Amino acid sequence: QAVLTQPSSLSASPGASASLTCTLRSDISVDSYRIYWYQQKPGSPPQYLLRYKSDSDKQQGSGVPSRFSGSKDASANAGILVISGLQSEDEADYYCMIWHDSATMVFGGGTKVTVL
Amino acid sequence: EVQLVESGGGLVKPGGSLRLSCAASGFTFRTYTMNWVRQVPGKGLEWVSSITSGSGYIYYADSVKGRFTISRDNANNSLYLQMTGLRGEDSALYYCSRDRNMDSWGPGTLVTVS
Repeated sequence: QAVLTQPSSLSASPGASASLTCTLRSDISVDSYRIYWYQQKPGSPPQYLLRYKSDSDKQQGSGVPSRFSGSKDASANAGILVISGLQSEDEADYYCMIWHDSATMVFGGGTKVTVL
Repeated sequence: EVQLVESGGGLVKPGGSLRLSCAASGFTFRTYTMNWVRQVPGKGLEWVSSITSGSGYIYYADSVKGRFTISRDNANNSLYLQMTGLRGEDSALYYCSRDRNMDSWGPGTLVTVS
């Protein structure tokens, strides 16, 4: 079972909210981790969006709009990236990441967001 | 402005070696952990290696352990990845990135093993 699992794709309408999930393997608790999120558009390197562990431990990337936000669903053992007021420019691949065991970095497989 | 520029990629035969470089500017390089991440075109991101600011801690993905060596030259604001025993599955675009947040990335350098 992969350490981090993301749905391969998600579609939503302009102006809607999109929730991207990053589910942790069942033997590791989302409560223990900062979840990092990145956006990647075709032909470009990834861009850091934010990290989220709790409401008191979170960071927005420099210049990243506030309509990108992080949260967690402890019952699902998942980190969540919420994109509010979806725009056409938000079409991209989104990756989550954790520092696993403090010494190794693990990425999710990525979610391709399409704005219909 | 933070800038990271990778170089050194190219075509190499299986079993060969390559040394990647990442030139950093616009920030105090010596104070940041640095990372290498790779991506097969059209596929997902794979972390390769990280090195702390003073080179005191170095970490590798299992897939490259024993074959790749990360290093840095803080005097010259440069990060390196020495790759030996290259395999076809090492073919990818290699990015350097800054900090544990990976808050800045270079454009990448392409490595093809064939």
